[in-house]
Amino acid sequence: DGGITQSPKYLFRKEGQNVTLSCEQNLNHDAMYWYRQDPGQGLRLIYYSQIVNDFQKGDIAEGYSVSREKKESFPLTVTSAQKNPTAFYLCASIAGGNTGELFFGEGSRLTVL
Amino acid sequence: SQQGEEDPQALSIQEGENATMNCSYKTSINNLQWYRQNSGRGLVHLILIRSNEREKHSGRLRVTLDTSKKSSSLLITASRAADTASYFCATTPFGSARQLTFGSGTQLTVLP
Repeated sequence: DGGITQSPKYLFRKEGQNVTLSCEQNLNHDAMYWYRQDPGQGLRLIYYSQIVNDFQKGDIAEGYSVSREKKESFPLTVTSAQKNPTAFYLCASIAGGNTGELFFGEGSRLTVL
Repeated sequence: SQQGEEDPQALSIQEGENATMNCSYKTSINNLQWYRQNSGRGLVHLILIRSNEREKHSGRLRVTLDTSKKSSSLLITASRAADTASYFCATTPFGSARQLTFGSGTQLTVLP
């Protein structure tokens, strides 16, 4: 079945370490997004990419980096510069443009020890 | 930035009752969407209503949109315990090439 796969589901990191969260989709969608969700709150946009080899910063991009070398993949790196990285991270994609339905992965929960 | 704001933040009802959640937003929009999130899971799309529509139905869901008041409501009729989840509204700003902007959500608890 088509969908979005995020891995790992749970990740623990020591302070000062970079970690990379994987997001793969087989929906043939052009645009992909990374959101951060903190407990009891909504989603905040980190980065988004509308086509391969192109991406834009969202509202809270500081301390994060992304790449979009393939249409199917949009990995997110949480760097040591991110001051408070403990959160739930959600990847999403959309077929075309930005006016339709977003499809989400199951999320990755990052905990910094 | 958070465009949509849901109200109430939390809602607890008995099974069989109707649940109504509201969403307000600030700027003109192309469309408004509602999503559901079970605890610790990804979001699932429920329904999309375009700016030129006033009401839309999907099964037990009814969504209304009032662009003059910049508000929307989601009604879940005959609620079930399985409807327990967080519900988010999301808007696409008119003329924007950007993404959806999500509200902070309503936590719905349906008691059996």
